[in-house]
Order: sequence, then structure tokens, then C-alpha cells
Amino acid sequence: GAVVSQHPSRVICKSGTSVKIECRSLDFQATTMFWYRQFPKQSLMLMATSNEGSKATYEQGVEKDKFLINHASLTLSTLTVTSAHPEDSSFYICSAARPGLAGLTNTGELFFGEGSRLTVL
Amino acid sequence: KQEVTQIPAALSVPEGENLVLNCSFTDSAIYNLQWFRQDPGKGLTSLLLIQSSQREQTSGRLNASLDKSSGRSTLYIAASQPGDSATYLCAAYNFNKFYFGSGTKLNVKP
Repeated sequence: GAVVSQHPSRVICKSGTSVKIECRSLDFQATTMFWYRQFPKQSLMLMATSNEGSKATYEQGVEKDKFLINHASLTLSTLTVTSAHPEDSSFYICSAARPGLAGLTNTGELFFGEGSRLTVL
Repeated sequence: KQEVTQIPAALSVPEGENLVLNCSFTDSAIYNLQWFRQDPGKGLTSLLLIQSSQREQTSGRLNASLDKSSGRSTLYIAASQPGDSATYLCAAYNFNKFYFGSGTKLNVKP
């Protein structure tokens, strides 16, 4: 079964509204989750690293106020696209790193959600 | 900064062929390297994870090798099947981030 669950899988919204995407780690506690954006026929672009109990770390060029990330528990991280515009339409994917040896993220395995297709009209 | 490159970008083979996908990375100080598969419109599915201390991992018809010193990893697919058609991505982990290649789009023709 799925190790990381992402919801919703598809969402269509009007320009100016906000959309929330949830990412849940089902099998393990994830202190760190990652949010990616993927354009058609391109690879993944890391948007931010979500840290449980603290502020997310955003990649250069990603607007913090536009893409709000909350990691309130060890199994849930949310991405909220605020005041969405058509150019925000994309495929958003989350991932969680399962801790490996000694609970270290850097020896663990990365699991992805199924992705969320956002279409802003 | 780590840069990950995958060659070829696309590959089309007849069913039954053995094939090799390549992944190279510029910084050899990685903690692990992972191979994924992505089907159109879907998330990524983990195929194989190779820790920095390992040289290869196998799962079924898949075998992944890792040569840190040369900054290379290969994914070997034996007896390819049409169901193997997908985009394959590799990701190197260091500097507390996962760095992805742009992927190899594989098409296995029946």
C-alpha cells in the first residue's frame, strides 16, 4: 500500500482562491518532508523542505507567502497555494524520507505521494 | 552544488532487450542514491536505494550499481517488458537535499 498519501489528486479552482494540498506519511514518522513542482515533460523542482515543528526552508525563487507550508505533526505536511493564478497550474508532489540507520534521514529512503494536479482557471 | 545528469533522455527498445540507464553526479560525497519510476500523471515509485557504502542493489529484473569515485550509477533492466515503459529518475542525497536527474523516458515496444 501507499507509504505517503497525497490529497487531493486533482483540483480545479478559480483565480484568486486558495488551495490546500495535504501530504501524509502513513508508515513512519517523518520529521522532514519535501514539496516539489513538476512542469510537463520536465523533472522535479524542489520548492521547499518542510520541517516538523519549525518553519519550512524554501528554495531560491519560491515565494514563501505564495506557497505556505505547514508541518504540524510528524505525519502531516500541507501546502497552501494562496491567491492562485493560472501560472500556478502545475503538478505538485510531496515526499517524505523514512529514517534509516540510527534515525538519520540521510540514510533513509524517499517515498513520494501520488501528486496533485492543480488547474487554476 | 550537486548536479545530476541522466543519459539518454529517451530510449526506445523492443521487448525482451536488456538495457542500461545511466546517472552521473558531480559531487561524490553522497549518502545514498535512489532510483525511481514515474508513470505519466503519477507520483514517483521507489525502485532501488543504494547506500553510499554499497556498490549495488537488486530487485527482480532490476539491478542498480553505484561507483561513488567516478560519480556514476547505472540501472540495469533485464528482459524488458512493455510494462516497464515509464520515466526513470535517479536522485542523489547530500547536503540535506535530494538532487534529481531529468530522467530517462523508456518505451518498450511489444
